[in-house]
Amino acid sequence: GESVGLHLPTLSVQEGDNSIINCAYSNSASDYFIWYKQESGKGPQFIIDIRSNMDKRQGQRVTVLLNKTVKHLSLQIAATQPGDSAVYFCAEMNNAGNMLTFGGGTRLMVKP
Amino acid sequence: NAGVTQTPKFRILKIGQSMTLQCTQDMNHNYMYWYRQDPGMGLKLIYYSVGAGITDKGEVPNGYNVSRSTTEDFPLRLELAAPSQTSVYFCASSRYQSSYNEQFFGPGTRLTVL
Repeated sequence: GESVGLHLPTLSVQEGDNSIINCAYSNSASDYFIWYKQESGKGPQFIIDIRSNMDKRQGQRVTVLLNKTVKHLSLQIAATQPGDSAVYFCAEMNNAGNMLTFGGGTRLMVKP
Repeated sequence: NAGVTQTPKFRILKIGQSMTLQCTQDMNHNYMYWYRQDPGMGLKLIYYSVGAGITDKGEVPNGYNVSRSTTEDFPLRLELAAPSQTSVYFCASSRYQSSYNEQFFGPGTRLTVL
């Protein structure tokens, strides 16, 4: 079936380095993707989104890249900080706009 | 605004017991959702509602029921708890139904069924 998945379950980076979290999706008709951050014991928190008519979108210290040719999504975090330690999920919105499909998550650990 | 609130935060049930997980939002959002998150996994949609009086099944609805009598509240009911329902449950809400539609999540309810 259609799925959204992640390549790496755990990513460990040094404080101040850049982080890249990857995600693959299988539904070529998907046109909206969201990255969520989930800290321990909390609900997911919206980070950034991107529509299929874009290749790149930037926020504060975060950038999402979308490669529709290979159905790949990535989240880049610049100058990673200890507060960035969390699990990151990519999610795909269906065309009806009423159902999010989440990937399995990547745990980002920031070493001081 | 408090956003999305959920009660209780934690609950332990015995097999066969029933309970209701409460969810309330004060953002006047039309759309509300219930997800479950198993350890190390992403969230899966149980049920959603597009407005008061209207609910629909998500990906994993079996064993659950919902109701939406008001815009603010969207309770999730477990009638006969089973160990497979041990999970963390998240409620979410959003304003519009569209492809570009941020969902706001509550803090979650951790449920253990023994």
